[in-house]
Amino acid sequence: DIQVTQSPSTLSASVGDRVTITCRASQSISTWLAWFQQKPGKAPKLLIYDSSRLQSGVPSRFSGSGSGTEFTLTISSLQPDDFATYYCQQYNSYQNTFGQGTKLQIK
Amino acid sequence: EVQLLESGGGLVQPGGSLRLSCAASGFAFSSYAMTWVRQAPGKGLEWVSIISDSGRTTNYANSVKGRFTISRDNSRNTLYLQVNSLRAEDTAVYYCAKAQSSVSGTAFDYWGQGTLVTVSS
Repeated sequence: DIQVTQSPSTLSASVGDRVTITCRASQSISTWLAWFQQKPGKAPKLLIYDSSRLQSGVPSRFSGSGSGTEFTLTISSLQPDDFATYYCQQYNSYQNTFGQGTKLQIK
Repeated sequence: EVQLLESGGGLVQPGGSLRLSCAASGFAFSSYAMTWVRQAPGKGLEWVSIISDSGRTTNYANSVKGRFTISRDNSRNTLYLQVNSLRAEDTAVYYCAKAQSSVSGTAFDYWGQGTLVTVSS
C-alpha cells in the first residue's frame, strides 16, 4: 500500500503568516493528491485536488503543488477561519490513503 | 445543492453488525463513484471503501476487507455499508462522500456529516 506522511503534525502561526504543509508519498503518485480542511465536529472539506487544482469556492490564498512523491499545501496569508486540521490524501492506487493530519493552531 | 445524509449508526456489541445508509440528493447519483471514510474519536481520517457508479467495482481497506460490504441502489439514490464482525477498533464516525468521477482514482468533493458507530459491550 502507498503510505503518505504529513509534516509537521502541529503548526503554530499567526494571522497573516504564510504557512506550508508537506506530504510525502512512499512511491510516485503522479499528481493524484488532494488536500482537505477539517474543523472540530465537522466533515472534511475539499480544498485542492490533482495536487494543484483549487476546488470551486475555495479562497485563492490556498494553493497546492508537487508531483511524484513530494507535495505542499500553502496558505499565503492566514485568516482566522483557517485554523483547523489539514489532511492530504492520495488516490493513485485502489487503496486510497490519508496522511495523519496537521493541526494548524494560533500562535 | 449536493446533500449526503448518513444514518444507521449506533451502539453495537463486539461481533455485531450494522447497515449504514447514505441518502444522496442534488446530483446525478448514478453517474458518480461513492466512498466511505471513517474517523475514530480524536484520530485522523481512514479511507474504508469505494464503489463505482454502476456498483460493479468495489475496493476495501485491508483493515475491513472480508467484514464490510459496500453497495448502492441507484434507483433510491442510496449508498450502503454493511459492517459485520465489528471490533472495538471500528468505533468511529463514518462519513460517506461523493467522488468527482464515475470510478476510483478521483478526489472526494462532497461529504455527509457522518454517523457514529460505537462498538462496546
